Amino acid sequence: GNSVTQMEGPVTLSEEAFLTINCTYTATGYPSLFWYVQYPGEGLQLLLKATKADDKGSNKGFEATYRKETTSFHLEKGSVQVSDSAVYFCALRRNSGYSTLTFGKGTMLLVSP
Amino acid sequence: NAGVTQTPKFQVLKTGQSMTLQCAQDMNHNSMYWYRQDPGMGLRLIYYSASEGTTDKGEVPNGYNVSRLNKREFSLRLESAAPSQTSVYFCASRLEGVNTGELFFGEGSRLTVL
Repeated sequence: GNSVTQMEGPVTLSEEAFLTINCTYTATGYPSLFWYVQYPGEGLQLLLKATKADDKGSNKGFEATYRKETTSFHLEKGSVQVSDSAVYFCALRRNSGYSTLTFGKGTMLLVSP
Repeated sequence: NAGVTQTPKFQVLKTGQSMTLQCAQDMNHNSMYWYRQDPGMGLRLIYYSASEGTTDKGEVPNGYNVSRLNKREFSLRLESAAPSQTSVYFCASRLEGVNTGELFFGEGSRLTVL
């Protein structure tokens, strides 16, 4: 079956530090990959996505590249801000037929001034 | 634009009580979902509805029932609440027919069962 594994948190960084949150997946075929972000007290919202191998998703300074050979979709940002403090979820969805999203367990990011 | 609206936002129940979480979306989406979020467990799918008139079990359906009342509304019912159902519940919706269609989430309903 499908599964997503994320690095455990919390990840604690100082403002302007470089961020990497690792995500690897197991899936049949070639799924679409997503990063969702959950700010305190809110629901999840889509941060970025990639639909095929070697695609790079980007938004708000965050990037992730779909790596088929390593089944990975690591999230990166060159310079984090305090406002980036949130929980980040990696997810996948099969591209053929009807399919629900499979989420990782989430990684909390805490950025201090 | 309201998006996905959940009610209530907070609820405290005693063991054995029943309640219904309401969810409505105004984006004309086909699919709707109920998830629960627990510390260290991420999001787990309880039930989903791929289209009006259909519902299917997700990963953790035991103790829950759902109703897709119409295209806009998808409710989650706890018939006899248990402490293990203390959680934050999220409703979500998605437009089908788009392979990469994103999920839109409500703000969540925090349920405590004593």
